[in-house]
Amino acid sequence: GAVVSQHPSWVICKSGTSVKIECRSLDFQATTMFWYRQFPKQSLMLMATSNEGSKATYEQGVEKDKFLINHASLTLSTLTVTSAHPEDSSFYICSAKGVSGVLANEQFFGPGTRLTVL
Amino acid sequence: DQQVKQNSPSLSVQEGRISILNCDYTNSMFDYFLWYKKYPAEGPTFLISISSIKDKNEDGRFTVFLNKSAKHLSLHIVPSQPGDSAVYFCAASARNRDDKIIFGKGTRLHILP
Repeated sequence: GAVVSQHPSWVICKSGTSVKIECRSLDFQATTMFWYRQFPKQSLMLMATSNEGSKATYEQGVEKDKFLINHASLTLSTLTVTSAHPEDSSFYICSAKGVSGVLANEQFFGPGTRLTVL
Repeated sequence: DQQVKQNSPSLSVQEGRISILNCDYTNSMFDYFLWYKKYPAEGPTFLISISSIKDKNEDGRFTVFLNKSAKHLSLHIVPSQPGDSAVYFCAASARNRDDKIIFGKGTRLHILP
């Protein structure tokens, strides 16, 4: 149990295009999902916290108009990188937190999405 | 300002010996600490955690020690096995405040045959 998937696992796009990354909790409902970014040899940096049915809360320094987050259901959150540029190239990881019980006490991480912007 | 610090970017340990990974933190509001294991191009996998009310938590070959006065925690793996080779992230959260997890930069552990 507590499996989180991400799609796509990797994507290459041209500068100026937008890219959508999906995060799904496969076997549990997630009221809260988190989006992280990891640059090479760096820690995972929290970008935003997404609660189902409400607006995401962005961390300081993260542009909400550039990184659009939608959490329309209890099993799906999407991150759209708008007008991507080479400096947005990174490893994007989501995590999900369950509604109750053990699943509500931990964050379960997806496998990540490697974004390369040419 | 890094709130969670892992000062050793890498560590090599002989198979069968003990691996000790260290972590320091600065925020006294942290009350929950976690260790994650991560392979390249994969998401982190939860390994073990400890609440600030404890000073030790053990799960099989993995033991986490917490020294609150020193704001220091360590992960002990014994005996080390080849499959333990990975990047280990120390993380902390202030659960009495919010759900955010703050990660360190990670330590790459190499288990030598």
